[in-house]
Amino acid sequence: RKEVEQDPGPFNVPEGATVAFNCTYSNSASQSFFWYRQDCRKEPKLLMSVYSSGNEDGRFTAQLNRASQYISLLIRDSKLSDSATYLCVVTRGSGGGADGLTFGKGTHLIIQP
Amino acid sequence: EPEVTQTPSHQVTQMGQEVILRCVPISNHLYFYWYRQILGQKVEFLVSFYNNEISEKSEIFDDQFSVERPDGSNFTLKIRSTKLEDSAMYFCASSPVGGETQYFGPGTRLLVL
Repeated sequence: RKEVEQDPGPFNVPEGATVAFNCTYSNSASQSFFWYRQDCRKEPKLLMSVYSSGNEDGRFTAQLNRASQYISLLIRDSKLSDSATYLCVVTRGSGGGADGLTFGKGTHLIIQP
Repeated sequence: EPEVTQTPSHQVTQMGQEVILRCVPISNHLYFYWYRQILGQKVEFLVSFYNNEISEKSEIFDDQFSVERPDGSNFTLKIRSTKLEDSAMYFCASSPVGGETQYFGPGTRLLVL
């Protein structure tokens, strides 16, 4: 069974701190990798795509290690608005164009004032 | 900014009844998807759709489920005879290119009594 594993948390972090999450995935056929965030009872929203070379978007840095099948997310200078569930997501690797996504259960982050 | 829309936002139905969940994907997107999220659990892939046919489906997407693109804008998910365990949030998503970012609608919360 193709899974994505994440530490569910919650991570309780003071405002302004740096926090790191990671996940592992089991499907070596996955081709695309993402972090989504999900607020309570809302839809998943793309935070960023993840590339092997590593990529940064403002306070967020993501990294992919394909050999270890490991994905990470670093949030610097955390804000109260960063409180959410962070979903590690990979493509199912079906080989077709309309490749579905496999989601982790998410890591719950709470930023405390 | 264009977005995926879904109707209704909430639906309550009796076990054994048929329901149709509606989605309007982003207008220039070619790939369409349905996912579900049972309360407290992870988001699960149901089906992907491209070029007016199913591209991939998961083991959840059994004969009770069907999808259709009845016109140039709508994408529907039909559950023929609902069961209690079909109670979940159903998300529609679309992407412009296969394997790339999927944009999610706000979801339809289905409750089967």
